[in-house]
Amino acid sequence: EVQLVESGGGLVKPGGSLRLSCAASGFTFSSYSMNWVRQAPGKGLEWVSSISSSSSYIYYADSVKGRFTISRDNAKNSLYLQMNSLRAEDTAVYYCARGSDPRRSGFSLGYWGQGTLVTVSS
Amino acid sequence: DIQMTQSPSSLSASVGDRVTITCQASQDISNYLNWYQQKPGKAPKLLIYDASNLETGVPSRFSGSGSGTDFTFTISSLQPEDIATYYCQQYDNLPTFGGGTKVEIK
Repeated sequence: EVQLVESGGGLVKPGGSLRLSCAASGFTFSSYSMNWVRQAPGKGLEWVSSISSSSSYIYYADSVKGRFTISRDNAKNSLYLQMNSLRAEDTAVYYCARGSDPRRSGFSLGYWGQGTLVTVSS
Repeated sequence: DIQMTQSPSSLSASVGDRVTITCQASQDISNYLNWYQQKPGKAPKLLIYDASNLETGVPSRFSGSGSGTDFTFTISSLQPEDIATYYCQQYDNLPTFGGGTKVEIK
């Protein structure tokens, strides 16, 4: 069974940093691209970042470019999101997500974690 | 960025009703469009991929159609368990989501 478990969320002051982790199990992690998607309280979904299976290709939403860094450790079956220079508008539940089928786009997100809440407030 | 305009933002319908949600892309995205269902406090669930393909295990009352810039998501007979917010998502370029449609029971 595919499982994605996020951790690392919490309360941080504006300008601060936080590192999110996503522990993957139940599939060959090194074969799949991975994504972070966030959802501000009461708002819609926003794709944040993607990383290819070997970390060769990395993409960011304009809203986080230059502040967030996605990475992965295939030996540890883990995905990360380093978030720096945090702003109030980064407050959201952050989900890690995987494509549902390796034959399809990695952006057809068939597997999601439960999410971790990041709150940026003084 | 490709903008996705989803409508309506909310709707109320009776059990058994046919429900239709539309999504318009700001440019041609071919069929690179997905539909998700999200229930309160839960992660989204992929229902439709590539505009019209039903994800494995998803009930056949859900369907999708369209290509280019205009897409439609349909629930043929609304059930109480379908109460949720539905999102379209394009992936012709870096992914963007529509604003969501909250579906309620009348």
